[in-house]
Amino acid sequence: QQQVKQSPQSLIVQKGGISIINCAYENTAFDYFPWYQQFPGKGPALLIAIRPDVSEKKEGRFTISFNKSAKQFSLHIMDSQPGDSATYFCAATNTGGFKTIFGAGTRLFVKA
Amino acid sequence: DTAVSQTPKYLVTQMGNDKSIKCEQNLGHDTMYWYKQDSKKFLKIMFSYNNKELIINETVPNRFSPKSPDKAHLNLHINSLELGDSAVYFCASRQGSNTGELFFGEGSRLTVL
Repeated sequence: QQQVKQSPQSLIVQKGGISIINCAYENTAFDYFPWYQQFPGKGPALLIAIRPDVSEKKEGRFTISFNKSAKQFSLHIMDSQPGDSATYFCAATNTGGFKTIFGAGTRLFVKA
Repeated sequence: DTAVSQTPKYLVTQMGNDKSIKCEQNLGHDTMYWYKQDSKKFLKIMFSYNNKELIINETVPNRFSPKSPDKAHLNLHINSLELGDSAVYFCASRQGSNTGELFFGEGSRLTVL
């Protein structure tokens, strides 16, 4: 069963717009929440990550918002660019760190 | 130098055959993984080894057998291939149990005809 639920499945955004991807988790034993970016023909690569003691983390145009009580977290991409077009995965890692579970992925297309 | 390298990148084979995928990492990490990505892009964890010891086995059919000859290598052998095994298989590594970054290889696309 899927323990990390991600939405939307796909997203089309105009260049310069804001892309928002949402995730919800079920297992309270998760304590690390990364986002991965995957381009066609490549492996996923870490984009940004957050731990549950922080409500927000920003790196450049990418921001994670984290709501521990609601067990939800989201990725915001500001000033979206065509080069951001990729598949984005939220994930959660269990305490102890050996197991990372991924959401189903969101295919983002940024229109020029 | 590629941090996590997998071979082969592409594999096309007939049902019933046996095939292997090899993975090597030069990052000095203790923990290595196999993930399966299906046609809908869903990434599912299959196995994990820490210091050559199997620590995660996610109800994968026993036709799949991972082997870790040393910390830097994790291979995947698949017996009696089925159509449903067609997918992209990703190797990844992480330093120990640190809840940090997973480093992925570029994937091995397996097509079973």
